[in-house]
Amino acid sequence: GAGVSQSPSNKVTEKGKDVELRCDPISGHTALYWYRQRLGQGLEFLIYFQGNSAPDKSGLPSDRFSAERTGESVSTLTIQRTQQEDSAVYLCASSLSAGQETQYFGPGTRLLVL
Amino acid sequence: RKEVEQDPGPFNVPEGATVAFNCTYSNSASQSFFWYRQDCRKEPKLLMSVYSSGNEDGRFTAQLNRASQYISLLIRDSKLSDSATYLCVVRLNTGNQFYFGTGTSLTVIP
Repeated sequence: GAGVSQSPSNKVTEKGKDVELRCDPISGHTALYWYRQRLGQGLEFLIYFQGNSAPDKSGLPSDRFSAERTGESVSTLTIQRTQQEDSAVYLCASSLSAGQETQYFGPGTRLLVL
Repeated sequence: RKEVEQDPGPFNVPEGATVAFNCTYSNSASQSFFWYRQDCRKEPKLLMSVYSSGNEDGRFTAQLNRASQYISLLIRDSKLSDSATYLCVVRLNTGNQFYFGTGTSLTVIP
C-alpha cells in the first residue's frame, strides 16, 4: 500500500514569502506528526495531530508556523514570512493512533529560503 | 538539557566488526524507546523497539537500563549496508511527543 507522501519534494523560496507544505498520511492512520531537521542535526518535533485536533503545539518555533489537518487525512504546514533559518527538511510521519508507537515517515520536503 | 543525547560519532568500523551505540535520556517518565535508522538524505525508518527485557533481531540487539537511563544498540557482524545514522528515540508516558537524538553516524568499511 502507499506510504506517507509529502509535497513538494523540494521548495526554494525568497525570504519573506509564505510556503505551504503538504502531507498525506497512510490511509487509516489517525496520528500525524511534523518534524524539522536542519542540515546535520536531529529531528525537532513541531506538532502532532490526533484526528483533526492538535493537542500539542509546543514545538512550533514561532507564530509564523501553523498547521492544519482536515478529514483526518491531509495535513498542511504553513510558514509565513519565511526566514533563512527556516531552511531545513520538513518531515511528516503517521501512525495508527497516538498510542500506536511505530511512526512511518514520508520522504520530506527540502525547503531552502534564499 | 536535551531529552535524548547520543555520541554523534562517526564510528568507522571494518566489515564483520561488532559495534555498540549508547544513548542517554533525561526524563525518568520516558516510557517507550526505539532505534531508527536514517540513510543519507532519506527519511528515518524504524529499526527496532527497545523492551525492558532487551530484545534481539538478527544481528541487532537492543537493551534498556532504566536505572541509569540509557539504551544501547549492538550490531554484530557489520555489513556495508549497515552504514547509516542511527537515531535514538524516546516517548514520555504523558502526551505523545517523540524525542529524537541527533543520531550516531556509522560507516562500515570494506
